[in-house]
Amino acid sequence: DTGVSQNPRHKITKRGQNVTFRCDPISEHNRLYWYRQTLGQGPEFLTYFQNEAQLEKSRLLSDRFSAERPKGSFSTLEIQRTEQGDSAMYLCASSLGLAGSYNEQFFGPGTRLTVL
Amino acid sequence: TQLLEQSPQFLSIQEGENLTVYCNSSSVFSSLQWYRQEPGEGPVLLVTVVTGGEVKKLKRLTFQFGDARKDSSLHITAAQPGDTGLYLCAGSTGNQFYFGTGTSLTVIP
Repeated sequence: DTGVSQNPRHKITKRGQNVTFRCDPISEHNRLYWYRQTLGQGPEFLTYFQNEAQLEKSRLLSDRFSAERPKGSFSTLEIQRTEQGDSAMYLCASSLGLAGSYNEQFFGPGTRLTVL
Repeated sequence: TQLLEQSPQFLSIQEGENLTVYCNSSSVFSSLQWYRQEPGEGPVLLVTVVTGGEVKKLKRLTFQFGDARKDSSLHITAAQPGDTGLYLCAGSTGNQFYFGTGTSLTVIP
């Protein structure tokens, strides 16, 4: 049984560079979510997909942030022109997404981004 | 917008003591989850509550959903050092998902 996996686990980049993170959800899960978490805070919802459709993206932090899930399986989160304020843990989660389910999300280990 | 407020934010207790963590909102949720997170890892789901007034027990942990489905509590009996971690409540409304502010628990041996 493989859970949610995220790569890379850590990323250090210089301000102004673009970064891309990958998330592989649990195989039978239809929904995939992205969150950002800063130290001592709860996760902050960014966006989510139902299969390949991005159903909510208004909470993406700026137009520098974008996410894709082209085949309804893995997803990528890209941050363009990174800023020091983007330094955080980026978490991915997945859930069954079936009618009657309760959005019980299973999280990956996260990608820790440090922008110098 | 912080839809879910947790209290206390920090809690440090001795092994064997009991504690309660609260999760409050002015919004109604169709379901609410509790998660536990350790440093450097993703949150791990503990329980889901869906019915107003529902009480669920998971060994020494007791979860309650408020009658109006706006609030929840987590009670831990006889806390152990292994209970140390960040406890998070989470709920969804429509296509929006919210986590609480978190309660950082430290259980001292």
